[in-house]
Amino acid sequence: GAVVSQHPSRVICKSGTSVKIECRSLDFQATTMFWYRQFPKKSLMLMATSNEGSKATYEQGVEKDKFLINHASLTLSTLTVTSAHPEDSSFYICSASFATGHTDTQYFGPGTRLTVL
Amino acid sequence: AQSVTQLDSHVSVSEGTPVLLRCNYSSSYSPSLFWYVQHPNKGLQLLLKYTSAATLVKGINGFEAEFKKSETSFHLTKPSAHMSDAAEYFCVVSNGYAYNNNDMRFGAGTRLTVKP
Repeated sequence: GAVVSQHPSRVICKSGTSVKIECRSLDFQATTMFWYRQFPKKSLMLMATSNEGSKATYEQGVEKDKFLINHASLTLSTLTVTSAHPEDSSFYICSASFATGHTDTQYFGPGTRLTVL
Repeated sequence: AQSVTQLDSHVSVSEGTPVLLRCNYSSSYSPSLFWYVQHPNKGLQLLLKYTSAATLVKGINGFEAEFKKSETSFHLTKPSAHMSDAAEYFCVVSNGYAYNNNDMRFGAGTRLTVKP
């Protein structure tokens, strides 16, 4: 149980285009979804947190107009990288959680590797 | 605010020997602590978590970790390494208080190499 999928797993795009990444919780309803970015050989950096039907909360330094997050349902969140540039190339990982008392566990998707040419 | 320090960026062991990956944490609250594993170009898999119950936590694939409040540590161990254990391991701390757990802090990661 608690499986999270991401689509696509890998995407290559031209500079200036927009890319949408989907994150789905397959067998549970996620109260909250998270988007992380991971640079090569680095740890994960939280970009934003989203609750279904609410605006996402972005971490300091993350441009909300560049990284658009939509959490349309309890099983789907999307991250759109707008006007992508080579410096946006990275491994993007989403996670989803559902509340179990006062502590949650985040279940991570397999990640999406974005390469911007 | 909480933080976590993984004391070794790289650990190398021989197959069949014990594994020890060290993690120290800092937290203002009673923390929740997690260990995740990431294989190359893959997402993260939860190995185990501590959430204020038993201090010795058993996880998947033979891993376990012990929460030591006095030492603010949560080291990950396994009695006998297997080749398939080679991966990146992340220690994670959260405040364990927030209903929506949006304050997870990741360690820098420890790369485990297993030699035949």
